[in-house]
Amino acid sequence: ETGVTQSPTHLIKTRGQQVTLRCSSQSGHNTVSWYQQALGQGPQFIFQYYREEENGRGNFPPRFSGLQFPNYSSELNVNALELDDSALYLCASSLDIGGVETQYFGPGTRLLVL
Amino acid sequence: GESVGLHLPTLSVQEGDNSIINCAYSNSASDYFIWYKQESGKGPQFIIDIRSNMDKRQGQRVTVLLNKTVKHLSLQIAATQPGDSAVYFCAETNTGNQFYFGTGTSLTVIP
Repeated sequence: ETGVTQSPTHLIKTRGQQVTLRCSSQSGHNTVSWYQQALGQGPQFIFQYYREEENGRGNFPPRFSGLQFPNYSSELNVNALELDDSALYLCASSLDIGGVETQYFGPGTRLLVL
Repeated sequence: GESVGLHLPTLSVQEGDNSIINCAYSNSASDYFIWYKQESGKGPQFIIDIRSNMDKRQGQRVTVLLNKTVKHLSLQIAATQPGDSAVYFCAETNTGNQFYFGTGTSLTVIP
């Protein structure tokens, strides 16, 4: 186990709704990254947060937004849900000490948009 | 854009045999690589990593080889066990924050 937890485990929403997913980082880690994994695909980078600021973003529209809190936990918010947003959403935590560091993943939240 | 691909989408091996999973990447600036294992219903699990200043790294039953000349990465699993059945992803980065993942290879171990 990585010590990274996510909630909820599963979620069903309808098109146009908004969703908030939560992630608790591994103890001692100060950086959290979010990925979207469609069925049968590899994870796609959404964005990363470091010291409560966005620290890199992938090719996702602005309706994907995030927050990182002082305790390094994080939220992913998706507005105006679309059917293609159905996927496994993964968060990964790491310790940024000035170099490239390993990212450790949580179990994910499976989102279904109907 | 980034491109990380795998040569084979599926691989079946007999229990006890060695497995080799391959991965190609396109960004010559990539300097850090990770192999992850993902079991059904779970998040990716770190297996082993390698930095671009190395060409080989060994762990417990696993070895990663990096060939920067042809931009190729491989994962070797010795004495493959049924518990090794999973999807394996290679991931690479040159920025330190954004990792690029391949589409994955599904490994099935036949008892």
